[in-house]
Amino acid sequence: DAGVIQSPRHEVTEMGQEVTLRCKPISGHDYLFWYRQTMMRGLELLIYFNNNVPIDDSGMPEDRFSAKMPNASFSTLKIQPSEPRDSAVYFCASSHNRGRMNEQFFGPGTRLTVL
Amino acid sequence: RKEVEQDPGPFNVPEGATVAFNCTYSNSASQSFFWYRQDCRKEPKLLMSVYSSGNEDGRFTAQLNRASQYISLLIRDSKLSDSATYLCVVNDGGNTPLVFGKGTRLSVIA
Repeated sequence: DAGVIQSPRHEVTEMGQEVTLRCKPISGHDYLFWYRQTMMRGLELLIYFNNNVPIDDSGMPEDRFSAKMPNASFSTLKIQPSEPRDSAVYFCASSHNRGRMNEQFFGPGTRLTVL
Repeated sequence: RKEVEQDPGPFNVPEGATVAFNCTYSNSASQSFFWYRQDCRKEPKLLMSVYSSGNEDGRFTAQLNRASQYISLLIRDSKLSDSATYLCVVNDGGNTPLVFGKGTRLSVIA
């Protein structure tokens, strides 16, 4: 079975450029999460969706960040304009609705470097 | 406010040693507890859930102390392959997202 798929795996860009990260959750999972991981702050939840609807975006750091989930099998996280402090590993994860969001399955992550 | 706190380590232990990690959580209403494992430059993966009565999975034992709001993970007979970062994770009840600690790094040395 395919796990969570993320692309690109690595992204190097210059400050001010637009960055789009992509995620395909596990088929049948109805929750999708976007996380950012840095050494300083650990794993931070940015936003999560349930049945393609954004439920909580309070973790999105600024208006420069936006996320969409147009259908059950695809989500994007966009940063525009990007800044050096956005450099991090961005993970997408998905899970089943079993009353509680227990086991989350993570994608391999996108390592973003903003110069 | 740090919701889930862990000693970052690193814990450097010889093969065969027993090692224990603790973490504390701030929300007394937290209902679900887990340990995730993250290998270097990889994604986190669920290691085990933590139940109120404590639970064991092979060489791994997890304990929960609700009164003191801490969770522990014990690894017996450490293997080189246990080297990783161990993330303490809680769920604040209901249909809320998981909250991750920053992780404790373990290095098992031959």
